[in-house]
Amino acid sequence: SAVISQKPSRDICQRGTSLTIQCQVDSQVTMMFWYRQQPGQSLTLIATANQGSEATYESGFVIDKFPISRPNLTFSTLTVSNMSPEDSSIYLCSVEAEKLFFGSGTQLSVL
Amino acid sequence: GENVEQHPSTLSVQEGDSAVIKCTYSDSASNYFPWYKQELGKGPQLIIDIRSNVGEKKDQRIAVTLNKTAKHFSLHITETQPEDSAVYFCAASIRVDYKLSFGAGTTVTVRA
Repeated sequence: SAVISQKPSRDICQRGTSLTIQCQVDSQVTMMFWYRQQPGQSLTLIATANQGSEATYESGFVIDKFPISRPNLTFSTLTVSNMSPEDSSIYLCSVEAEKLFFGSGTQLSVL
Repeated sequence: GENVEQHPSTLSVQEGDSAVIKCTYSDSASNYFPWYKQELGKGPQLIIDIRSNVGEKKDQRIAVTLNKTAKHFSLHITETQPEDSAVYFCAASIRVDYKLSFGAGTTVTVRA
């Protein structure tokens, strides 16, 4: 398995600001993903974080709103830009280490 | 793309009874089917998974069955305990290192 550390665990932000979420893994992994879980809902894939190249975004998600960095095989960041209350969700990092594991998530509330 | 449907949305069982959650998927290319348990305020925890070359897999009180012809798979929890109360998600993917498509989730409540 993989140990995934996600920071911050929660935050309350003002409309129009940006928040960067960090995901650190205790071993090198090829595949890292970012998911969003809106209140009371299921998980939706935002993008695949590719090491050394631009992230691959799913339909409905764009780089300007959710820029992603993947500088190496153990770390990635997701930024939620120009936030609005509709961005209030749990954001989850996921990695593939023979199976797919999730971090504990970042609970984001936008006022 | 893949569409995963999950039923029921809520499930209440008496402690000691069994719980069954069913999922169907649309993409016949899907080969990897994990199940996750999510407790309040936590990330999803992988509890069991199954790949398409296997019809059934068991781990203590938890079992998963897969019917590739009918494109459905199920989670069975036997001898339920209060700590089994959580939201359970099924998911499907074409392989383990590819993106997952999730079901809508089932809220399981085990009554003491």
